[in-house]
Amino acid sequence: QKEVEQDPGPLSVPEGAIVSLNCTYSNSAFQYFMWYRQYSRKGPELLMYTYSSGNKEDGRFTAQVDKSSKYISLFIRDSQPSDSATYLCAMSDYGQNFVFGPGTRLSVLP
Amino acid sequence: GAVVSQHPSWVICKSGTSVKIECRSLDFQATTMFWYRQFPKQSLMLMATSNEGSKATYEQGVEKDKFLINHASLTLSTLTVTSAHPEDSSFYICSATREYSNQPQHFGDGTRLSIL
Repeated sequence: QKEVEQDPGPLSVPEGAIVSLNCTYSNSAFQYFMWYRQYSRKGPELLMYTYSSGNKEDGRFTAQVDKSSKYISLFIRDSQPSDSATYLCAMSDYGQNFVFGPGTRLSVLP
Repeated sequence: GAVVSQHPSWVICKSGTSVKIECRSLDFQATTMFWYRQFPKQSLMLMATSNEGSKATYEQGVEKDKFLINHASLTLSTLTVTSAHPEDSSFYICSATREYSNQPQHFGDGTRLSIL
């Protein structure tokens, strides 16, 4: 089993839809959880950074962490064509051990 | 805050030459910098982790004599691809974490390397 698994997509949704992106992981030592957005030929951009279980909201983005299920999600409300990108989940323990998911390609169609 | 600048953004050079890529944290001190390689439509592949003032830690299968990493200051790390060949053509991305523990990685915009 891979340390972090993520729906590969590609995922296509109409503009205005609610998007749900998900990752599962196996290492219970992970405490910090991140979501990155990567446009083509650009570096990943940090969207959300959360610690332990719970929800965090920032504008149209909501990150959820359920440590008991080892499951994290990113929700995008009122999706826009500019949200079309690859989304990477990432997590780390208390040290420098970062693990990234393989990414989900999202297309928001106008 | 947390801006990471990577230079150059695109380089094309002949086989056999060495190429240096710079990664700078512009508004914070980065105790740790990471170097990744990414092939089209694939995820990030960690190449090495470098801490300021010490030798880089390379991932298994990455040739340290081929990919030289220097992290001489808290704001600058360099990756030199020595004697580059066409198979080294790829997208190279650096990232940095702040000096405090438990911080996320902040990425540069990547360098597209094409070896002819």
